[in-house]
Amino acid sequence: QKEVEQDPGPLSVPEGAIVSLNCTYSNSAFQYFMWYRQYSRKGPELLMYTYSSGNKEDGRFTAQVDKSSKYISLFIRDSQPSDSATYLCASYDMRFGAGTRLTVKP
Amino acid sequence: NAGVMQNPRHLVRRRGQEARLRCSPMKGHSHVYWYRQLPEEGLKFMVYLQKENIIDESGMPKERFSAEFPKEGPSILRIQQVVRGDSAAYFCASSIGQGHQPQHFGDGTRLSIL
Repeated sequence: QKEVEQDPGPLSVPEGAIVSLNCTYSNSAFQYFMWYRQYSRKGPELLMYTYSSGNKEDGRFTAQVDKSSKYISLFIRDSQPSDSATYLCASYDMRFGAGTRLTVKP
Repeated sequence: NAGVMQNPRHLVRRRGQEARLRCSPMKGHSHVYWYRQLPEEGLKFMVYLQKENIIDESGMPKERFSAEFPKEGPSILRIQQVVRGDSAAYFCASSIGQGHQPQHFGDGTRLSIL
């Protein structure tokens, strides 16, 4: 079993939709998680990180960690075509999920 | 540009040749990490270096791969006697602190083996 699992998608939504991206992890010692956004032919860009259970909000993005179910989520409100990218979750020791490819259609 | 710089962006090698990938970390960062990304797969950690030291190479293949981060100059990922399976995007990241702090990535080197 991989330590961080992520549904690779692809996920396609209309502009303005709320997007939910999810990962699960297996190691309960993980305390710190990150979300990266990767555009085609580019390196991953740190989007958000969170240290503990609960929510962290940054503009249209909200990161959520549920330690009881070992679930990590990233929500994007009012999605835009410019949000079209691959989103990767990662644990504190940089174990990455496979990435979810998101397309936001205008 | 104060970001992580990788070169070359694209590298083509024939089987059996050597590939050298270079990475200059962000200014002020002394920790460098190398990752490999295959199509439709996530990033796989390879090695973590500080200046003149390899801290964690648990993700490096045991043969043909090596990495260094000298006192002066960029970090180098070296692949000897390349094979078709080495074709991938190789990303470098750097961080300011110890361990696995949030990292800043370069745009990668895309290695193609003929």
